[in-house]
Amino acid sequence: KNEVEQSPQNLTAQEGEFITINCSYSVGISALHWLQQHPGGGIVSLFMLSSGKKKHGRLIATINIQEKHSSLHITASHPRDSAVYICAVRFTGAQKLVFGQGTRLTINP
Amino acid sequence: GAVVSQHPSRVICKSGTSVKIECRSLDFQATTMFWYRQFPKKSLMLMATSNEGSKATYEQGVEKDKFLINHASLTLSTLTVTSAHPEDSSFYICSATSFASGRRSGGEQYFGPGTRLTVT
Repeated sequence: KNEVEQSPQNLTAQEGEFITINCSYSVGISALHWLQQHPGGGIVSLFMLSSGKKKHGRLIATINIQEKHSSLHITASHPRDSAVYICAVRFTGAQKLVFGQGTRLTINP
Repeated sequence: GAVVSQHPSRVICKSGTSVKIECRSLDFQATTMFWYRQFPKKSLMLMATSNEGSKATYEQGVEKDKFLINHASLTLSTLTVTSAHPEDSSFYICSATSFASGRRSGGEQYFGPGTRLTVT
């Protein structure tokens, strides 16, 4: 069964802390997306990965294909980073994305 | 990155009426568009996959006669909620991607900002 598991489901941290959100999936993939959604807002695509590591500003995404695992890191976290972060995977041979449950991140000032 | 727009961003309609939501890819040709529905504090639920020039493929449990999807061009897909009821009130999101002709190239999906539908 094609599954995507995210952890933690909820995460609260203080401003400035280093944040890690994890995503594991069950079988081979074509691509993995990290998405961000602010309350009441639309979805923003942060990264698409199929291997290795990508960095954009304070955000870093890594993927280990052998271990079927990806992480999203936020350095020097800020209250404006508070949002739901979603891991979404396109399994090999498929068109559609399978979504993780999302991680609700709250950064307190 | 590529931009996908949705219109309207917010709509309120009366029960029994129909509402059309547009999804446009502004700076690329989208061979495939996806329509999602999101309930409060829940993840996205895929409703249908729309390939340009062909009929949409609906997910199990989604009524195709109620949620009409048209993907008439490479930059526009529409979702029409017919005979809307209060239980259709939700946040509807589209995404667009482009797969290379003849094979799936692993194109990135770009999401629209969403449309909040309220049926009274």
